[in-house]
Amino acid sequence: DIVMTQSPLSLSVTPGEAASISCRSSQSLVHGNGYFYLNWYLQKPGQSPQLLIYLGSTRASGVPDRFSGSGSGTDFTLRINRVEAEDVGVYYCMQALQTPLTFGGGTKVEIK
Amino acid sequence: QVQLVQSGAEVRKPGSSVRVSCKTSGDTFSDNAITWVRQAPGQGLEWMGGIIPVFRTPHYSQRFQGRLTISADESTNTVYMELSSLRSEDTAVYYCARVPKARLIRYPMDVWGQGTQVTVSS
Repeated sequence: DIVMTQSPLSLSVTPGEAASISCRSSQSLVHGNGYFYLNWYLQKPGQSPQLLIYLGSTRASGVPDRFSGSGSGTDFTLRINRVEAEDVGVYYCMQALQTPLTFGGGTKVEIK
Repeated sequence: QVQLVQSGAEVRKPGSSVRVSCKTSGDTFSDNAITWVRQAPGQGLEWMGGIIPVFRTPHYSQRFQGRLTISADESTNTVYMELSSLRSEDTAVYYCARVPKARLIRYPMDVWGQGTQVTVSS
């Protein structure tokens, strides 16, 4: 199974500042077609997870452009520019390259 | 707009089974896959398995082999998740999620159900 490791465990951010979350996989997430099968999800308090980023860097429909994904191989980053109060919650990375699909442990983002 | 509506909360005793349903609407049932993810109290997300209704073949995480059954009813656009031999560690919120293009991998889970609380307690 591919192990996904996120850091940090939690983050406290001042509104308007930037935040970054790191995700590392135990093996490369690149497919033979050149795509990286890494997704990012946000689970707001009391809600179901919602898709933010797929294929490592493609924003899902309706996701604000202050969210961006980058990375390759085994190392990926989610960046939130100008954090807003509505961005609080737990962020998860997930590999979609092979079954079993596996998630990182989550990063809790709070507002200062 | 695609929607996934799950059945309500369940309470079960250890050793029994539970079945949770996930009814889809707003899209062609056969064009999608449905996957199941669970979240224990205060914990992260865990993929359990999924099904591509058009192929009728479920795929399971090894962790749940022998205890998990996922099935699909195309006549009602509903997918079912049944977990047997329940233990207290199965207490969790269970989510269904859609994966487009009738694939379980490579495409993202882009629409989620509201979640179903399953509590296992004697």
